[in-house]
Amino acid sequence: DGGITQSPKYLFRKEGQNVTLSCEQNLNHDAMYWYRQDPGQGLRLIYYSQIVNDFQKGDIAEGYSVSREKKESFPLTVTSAQKNPTAFYLCASSIRDRASTDTQYFGPGTRLTVL
Amino acid sequence: KNQVEQSPQSLIILEGKNCTLQCNYTVSPFSNLRWYKQDTGRGPVSLTIMTFSENTKSNGRYTATLDADTKQSSLHITASQLSDSASYICVVSGSVTGKLIFGQGTTLQVKP
Repeated sequence: DGGITQSPKYLFRKEGQNVTLSCEQNLNHDAMYWYRQDPGQGLRLIYYSQIVNDFQKGDIAEGYSVSREKKESFPLTVTSAQKNPTAFYLCASSIRDRASTDTQYFGPGTRLTVL
Repeated sequence: KNQVEQSPQSLIILEGKNCTLQCNYTVSPFSNLRWYKQDTGRGPVSLTIMTFSENTKSNGRYTATLDADTKQSSLHITASQLSDSASYICVVSGSVTGKLIFGQGTTLQVKP
């Protein structure tokens, strides 16, 4: 069963804590992405990675960190420096990092709530 | 500033009826436009993709149109079903940066 998986589906965090969201894909895609989705707004890019051991900041990277040690995995850490972390987080992947031609496939999302 | 604006923000229709969702964009130069369907609490799923040279693309009961001159796209849903209840997101890709610009989405509710 191929695709992108994200875990957990729901996550609760206390203020001041770091938390890591998991994203795994078995599509053999080179590129992976993290987006944040807030009500009434379009998806916003947090970080993306074109290849293993390399990643780039997106539009709203402050307060977030990522790693890409394996092709299949692209975990996102939401740090205590992120001022408004409560949101729906979506991971995506594409064959290559060419948004002009390559369709991005999304995972089911993780809803993070800060208490 | 590159933007993608969708209308209406939300829409309620009866099962079996047709509806049309709108997307206006200012992204230039433009590479392609995608429509995604996002069920509540799930990730978006691609419905159609159109390049600047295409003006219509169908996927079952979904038909997308594109007017690159006026920078407008529409998504027409025919004979709606309860399972069509979802958010529909318009995404435009700029040909220079390759960056994806996401609209805020239209929430469609189909009632029996």
